[in-house]
Amino acid sequence: GAGVSQSPRYKVAKRGQDVALRCDPISGHVSLFWYQQALGQGPEFLTYFQNEAQLDKSGLPSDRFFAERPEGSVSTLKIQRTQQEDSAVYLCASGEGFHQPQHFGDGTRLSIL
Amino acid sequence: GQQLNQSPQSMFIQEGEDVSMNCTSSSIFNTWLWYKQDPGEGPVLLIALYKAGELTSNGRLTAQFGITRKDSFLNISASIPSDVGIYFCAGQMNYGGSQGNLIFGKGTKLSVKP
Repeated sequence: GAGVSQSPRYKVAKRGQDVALRCDPISGHVSLFWYQQALGQGPEFLTYFQNEAQLDKSGLPSDRFFAERPEGSVSTLKIQRTQQEDSAVYLCASGEGFHQPQHFGDGTRLSIL
Repeated sequence: GQQLNQSPQSMFIQEGEDVSMNCTSSSIFNTWLWYKQDPGEGPVLLIALYKAGELTSNGRLTAQFGITRKDSFLNISASIPSDVGIYFCAGQMNYGGSQGNLIFGKGTKLSVKP
């Protein structure tokens, strides 16, 4: 089905490298969220887009994290100068609109060595 | 970051048993949602609740939005092996500048009784 698609599914990087994670939301979905899920924990909010506008980035843990959604569809989460504590599953979710149920992709599992 | 209090943390089920889990918060939410997550996959939405006191069913699943808007529970009746996985509650608020991001519990892990 045409669900939320994330790539790559797995990413291994050396500490200090930059990484880029991609999210293809469900077609037509206005809202797009990024979450970070540490092992054994629930997902935690990172940032939110409504169309191409980034309306909330309060959950980004540092200025090494950057997200964009230039055409209001595909979104990219970039992490610069990765550190070991960045290792986690990064989940993307999309919704039809403000406060509509969010549907998640299968995530990118990022491992920093 | 903020997480909801979800209990129990883990439980074992035997086929046919009923299962119950709950979630509490110090904050008021306008929406409560329940998700299930299998290993290596993203959370899948099970039930969404929009009104205080609302009781909603989805097959063998029943969930309720607490009257105080600070809690919710999920019941699974007549459990089957494919019910194993991790269940997450999530709260959503639409006031105080919130943009609708979800705040999750730590999850309840359902496993099959050995």
